[in-house]
Amino acid sequence: NAGVTQTPKFQVLKTGQSMTLQCAQDMNHNSMYWYRQDPGMGLRLIYYSASEGTTDKGEVPNGYNVSRLNKREFSLRLESAAPSQTSVYFCASSEAGTVTRETQYFGPGTRLLVL
Amino acid sequence: AQSVTQLDSQVPVFEEAPVELRCNYSSSVSVYLFWYVQYPNQGLQLLLKYLSGSTLVESINGFEAEFNKSQTSFHLRKPSVHISDTAEYFCAVSEWTGFQKLVFGTGTRLLVSP
Repeated sequence: NAGVTQTPKFQVLKTGQSMTLQCAQDMNHNSMYWYRQDPGMGLRLIYYSASEGTTDKGEVPNGYNVSRLNKREFSLRLESAAPSQTSVYFCASSEAGTVTRETQYFGPGTRLLVL
Repeated sequence: AQSVTQLDSQVPVFEEAPVELRCNYSSSVSVYLFWYVQYPNQGLQLLLKYLSGSTLVESINGFEAEFNKSQTSFHLRKPSVHISDTAEYFCAVSEWTGFQKLVFGTGTRLLVSP
């Protein structure tokens, strides 16, 4: 199993450009998440999808949109990139269902630089 | 609202010395607590978690954490660290709402030197 995969690994954008970050998991997990990691701020939740067909805003959703394409894939879109969106983006997934089985598994991250 | 405080942004320590990484949380309901580790240029990996039961939880690589409800703390400890433990460590809290929504602390960078 590959676990959680993310593409691309690294991207440079100019202000105003758009792009989509891709995430896929092969663990048959129900829930998927997008986080951003900034120095000194830990990880902050952008959007999440509790189950296929649903998405909800997290702590910092402004400037982003998401699509839960199917059970495996959860994409994050920046419509008009801004320098404040320079960050490392992590996708995660979890089985959901019972608290004892619940662990989030993280992808390797996408480093985004907006000039 | 939940929150997590990791007061130490960086902890330098010599190899084979003991270490404690501090974590305090605030929440109005019962919580579940986690420590994640992030090695350089990698994603986060679960190190250990407290859900219920024994307040002392252990990981397979020698770390342990103790849930202290009265102190609202979940400090991470290891009696003897290795160079390979150099990483960033994140404490997180979650309320169970049918799925897991984590709130992370700002992280503590553990630097182990020979």
